[in-house]
Amino acid sequence: DIQMTQSPSSLSASVGDRVTISCRASQGVRNSLAWFQQKPGKAPKSLMHSASNLHIGVPSKFSGSGYGTDFTLTISSLQPEDSATYYCQQYASYPLTFGGGTKVEIK
Amino acid sequence: EVQLVESGGGLVQPGGSLRLSCAASGFTFSNYWMYWVRQAPGKGLEWVANINQDGSLEKYVDSVKGRFTISRDNVKNSLFLQMSSLRVDDTGVFYCARGYGGYATFDNWGQGTLVTVSS
Repeated sequence: DIQMTQSPSSLSASVGDRVTISCRASQGVRNSLAWFQQKPGKAPKSLMHSASNLHIGVPSKFSGSGYGTDFTLTISSLQPEDSATYYCQQYASYPLTFGGGTKVEIK
Repeated sequence: EVQLVESGGGLVQPGGSLRLSCAASGFTFSNYWMYWVRQAPGKGLEWVANINQDGSLEKYVDSVKGRFTISRDNVKNSLFLQMSSLRVDDTGVFYCARGYGGYATFDNWGQGTLVTVSS
């Protein structure tokens, strides 16, 4: 199974800050990497697929990069509504696996 | 508008059974892979199972193989998860999700249904 490791597990940043979340795969997944946002008590929301392609309706302040084993989700200018837990997911092979999540809080 | 509405969750004793349903609307259901993803209380996301467009191909995480069965009804635009031999560690919120394109990932999610396995 491919293990997905996210770092940090949590972070606190100020409004307007640039925030970066890392996701590392235990083996190469090409660009078969998706990102999700989940707010407390709510269903996850799909942000992007193929490492860097935003789903329709996702604001451009979110961006993704990476290939193979190392990936990054960036929020260009953090806003209060971005407070959430973010998950990565690999879909290069079964079983589909998620990272453990990164909780983003606003200072 | 894509809508996925899960139902069927509840409290069940260890060893018991439960059938989850997901009613889909706002898209051509028969064109999409469909997925179940679960989340234990306070924990992360875990893929459970998925099924292809005509129901001929199913995949499961090892921990549920032989206990859970995913199925679909393309006439009624519904997805199902039949769960048996339930264990305490099956407790969590179960989400129905729509597959995205030809990729084994998701674009739309339901609101989830809570399954609690406890004596």
